[in-house]
Amino acid sequence: DIQMTQSPSSVSASVGDRVTISCRASQGISNWLAWYQQRPGKAPKPLIYAASNLQSGVPSRFSGSGSGTNFTLTISSLQPEDFATYFCQQANSFPLTFGGGTRVEIK
Amino acid sequence: QVQLVESGGGVVQPGGSLRLSCAASGFPFNIYAMHWVRQAPDKGLEWVAVISSYGSDEKYADSVKGRFTISRDNSKNKLYLQMNSLRADDTAVYYCATEGTWGQGTLVTVSS
Repeated sequence: DIQMTQSPSSVSASVGDRVTISCRASQGISNWLAWYQQRPGKAPKPLIYAASNLQSGVPSRFSGSGSGTNFTLTISSLQPEDFATYFCQQANSFPLTFGGGTRVEIK
Repeated sequence: QVQLVESGGGVVQPGGSLRLSCAASGFPFNIYAMHWVRQAPDKGLEWVAVISSYGSDEKYADSVKGRFTISRDNSKNKLYLQMNSLRADDTAVYYCATEGTWGQGTLVTVSS
């Protein structure tokens, strides 16, 4: 199975800050990488697919990059509604696997 | 409006069975592979199973293989998860999902 490792596990930031979350795959997955946002008590919301493509309706302050084993989710200017937990997920091979999550907290 | 709505969750004793359903609307259900993903309380996400668009191929996580069965009825735009031999560690919110869309989830609690 492909292991997905996210870092950091949590980050404290202020509104307007730039936030970067990393995700590393245990083997190459090309660009088969998705990102999700999950607010407390809610279902995960797809943000990005194929490493860098925004899902419909996702604000442009979110961006994704990377290929192979190293990927990044960037929030260019953190907004109040962005405080949530973010997960990466590889879609290269079954079983699909998720990173452990990164909690973005208010500083 | 693209929508997935899960149902069928509840409390079940260890060793028991439960069948989850997911009703799809707003998109051509019969051309999309469908997944079940679960999340134990205060834990991360775990992929459970996938079924191909026409139901001809299924794959499962090792943790549920032989106990859970994914199926679909394209004439009804519905996805199912039959869960047998349930264990305490199957307790989770179960989500159905496809490209770009997740349902709101249904809670399954396995407890005596």
